[in-house]
Amino acid sequence: QKEVEQNSGPLSVPEGAIASLNCTYSDRGSQSFFWYRQYSGKSPELIMFIYSNGDKEDGRFTAQLNKASQYVSLLIRDSQPSDSATYLCAVRKSGGSYIPTFGRGTSLIVHP
Amino acid sequence: DAMVIQNPRYQVTQFGKPVTLSCSQTLNHNVMYWYQQKSSQAPKLLFHYYDKDFNNEADTPDNFQSRRPNTSFCFLDIRSPGLGDAAMYLCATSRVGQQRYNEQFFGPGTRLTVL
Repeated sequence: QKEVEQNSGPLSVPEGAIASLNCTYSDRGSQSFFWYRQYSGKSPELIMFIYSNGDKEDGRFTAQLNKASQYVSLLIRDSQPSDSATYLCAVRKSGGSYIPTFGRGTSLIVHP
Repeated sequence: DAMVIQNPRYQVTQFGKPVTLSCSQTLNHNVMYWYQQKSSQAPKLLFHYYDKDFNNEADTPDNFQSRRPNTSFCFLDIRSPGLGDAAMYLCATSRVGQQRYNEQFFGPGTRLTVL
């Protein structure tokens, strides 16, 4: 089992819909969870982080964490074509590690 | 604005010709990282500096070296680039020790082409 798994996609949603991106992780003691957006040919940009079970909202973005089931998700409400990008999930494991492990990302396409 | 800067943004080199990529930061972060990212793949950590301490990943080829002369700057040296080293090279920084999350901030990347 990979340490951080994401469906590579592409996930295609119509403009205005909710896009749901999922990420599972193998280390049960993982502490911090990050979502990065990466446009084609560009570098990753941090959009959300979460460390407590439950939901965290920031504008159109909501991160959801369920440590018991070892998954973290990112919801994008009112999806726009400009949201089309690859979304990388990163997980900081237990044991004092400060280095996150990245998933390979999910490609999101928002079509008009 | 505080930021992470990488130069050059695009680098073309010849097979076997040494190349140096640079990264600077105004965030005053104590940790600087170098990642290699190829198309449709996760960023792969090559090494990082925690303050002045160099930490190499076990599977990073000897062909890759790094220097951090001061807090603000970090360099990636590729001694003899091969065709397989063509990739996007990402520099990232984080502040470790004072924040719970230690989130990383990335520079814009350097796209390396090897001819």
